[in-house]
Amino acid sequence: QVSLKESGPVLVKPTETLTLTCTVSGFSLSDVRMGVSWIRQPPGKALEWLANIFWSDAKSYNTPLKSRLAISKDTAKSQVVLTLTNVDPVDTATYYCARTRGLYGDPVGYFDLWGRGTPVTVSS
Amino acid sequence: DIQMTQSPSSLSASIGDRVTITCRASQGISNYLAWFQQQPGKAPKSLIYGASSLHGGVPSKFSGSGSGTDFTLTISSLQPEDFAVYYCQQYHSFPFTFGPGTTVEIK
Repeated sequence: QVSLKESGPVLVKPTETLTLTCTVSGFSLSDVRMGVSWIRQPPGKALEWLANIFWSDAKSYNTPLKSRLAISKDTAKSQVVLTLTNVDPVDTATYYCARTRGLYGDPVGYFDLWGRGTPVTVSS
Repeated sequence: DIQMTQSPSSLSASIGDRVTITCRASQGISNYLAWFQQQPGKAPKSLIYGASSLHGGVPSKFSGSGSGTDFTLTISSLQPEDFAVYYCQQYHSFPFTFGPGTTVEIK
C-alpha cells in the first residue's frame, strides 16, 4: 500500500531552521518518474507549493522561498527531507508531502497521493 | 511564475445540484492542470489530472475540461461529502502554482 507520512517539530522559534521528513512506503524514491513535493497551508489559507525532487535528483523550488529552502532524499531510508531556514511566524502552517508522478519526456508531473500533513507553529 | 485564478471564490448549493468551478491560468498550460478536494480538517485529495482524467477511485460525478488557459470542474448531483474547498493547480512548469480555492457550501 502506497503512503506518505510527514514528521517534524510542532514548534519552532523564529530564526531557527525547520527540518521536515517525508517517509514513503509502497514505492521507491529511485523508481523512474517518481518524485515527492512539499506543499504547505497556513491556517485558513490556500495551498502553497514549496519544492519537488525527482528520482533523478532533479530539484525545483518555490521562487520567493528559493534562498531558504533545500530538498533532498535518502533512497535507502525512503525519506525526503525539506529544510527551511530562518523561519518566521508567517511560516506557521500545516506541511504536506505528496507523490509526484513524472511524465514521459517532460520534467514535470502531477500529484496523486498526499500525506496527512504535519502542523508547524513558529513562535518564541 | 504562472498565476492561477478561480471563480467563484465560494458558492452555495443544495444536495443534488450540479455545480461548475472555473480555473484560469495566466498563460497557456496545455492540459497540465489538476484539481484537488479538501474537506475540513483533512489533507487535500487528488481528483483530476491532465485537465480531465480522474484518479483511481474518484467517482464519475466529477468531471474536468479545458485546455490552454481556461478550465472547469463540474460536480454533478452534489452529496453531503462534496461540500469542501476545491483547488486547481498547474504543473506545466516549475514552480507549480495553485489557485486560491473555491468553497462549496450547503445552501
